[in-house]
Amino acid sequence: EDQVTQSPEALRLQEGESSSLNCSYTVSGLRGLFWYRQDPGKGPEFLFTLYSAGEEKEKERLKATLTKKESFLHITAPKPEDSATYLCAVQNAGNNRKLIWGLGTSLAVNP
Amino acid sequence: SAVISQKPSRDICQRGTSLTIQCQVDSQVTMMFWYRQQPGQSLTLIATANQGSEATYESGFVIDKFPISRPNLTFSTLTVSNMSPEDSSIYLCSAPTGDDYEQYFGPGTRLTVT
Repeated sequence: EDQVTQSPEALRLQEGESSSLNCSYTVSGLRGLFWYRQDPGKGPEFLFTLYSAGEEKEKERLKATLTKKESFLHITAPKPEDSATYLCAVQNAGNNRKLIWGLGTSLAVNP
Repeated sequence: SAVISQKPSRDICQRGTSLTIQCQVDSQVTMMFWYRQQPGQSLTLIATANQGSEATYESGFVIDKFPISRPNLTFSTLTVSNMSPEDSSIYLCSAPTGDDYEQYFGPGTRLTVT
């Protein structure tokens, strides 16, 4: 069964304190792994898609990496505005484009 | 990318009534998805809506409770029927665009059933 597990559930950082969020997955043929950011009361905002092991993508203070079993979202020198819930999802190689979602990591960055 | 809007943004409804949520995409898309997100939880897929065919529902969701329409390639509606307080949730629509499979989401509809 396809499954996504995110850790930690919650993370509190001081401004400037770099860290990483983890997304472990099992899927019957990975088509893509997706990272989203969700602010309270809003829909998820797309961040990255990763397709194959070894791939990396960056956007401002965020860098996503992918291995055959997990993905990391590295946050470098975070700012308070990076506070949000970060969601990971995978899509299997079937043709239905459904996403299997993790429960998310709630990130709080204190000034 | 895609810009997706939803109406209403929030509503408070009485038990036993129905609410229809609209989802509009700024470009033509083959698939649209409807999700439910309960407080503090991740997203649960309700159904996939393809234009010109019946929606495909996930386990635990049925058409009588959550009828979906998909009249064209840019629009869909989800109705929450015969509501109970357990239906209080955020309802989100999304659509994958282009060849990269990423899904873009609407802002959500916050439903409270009293």
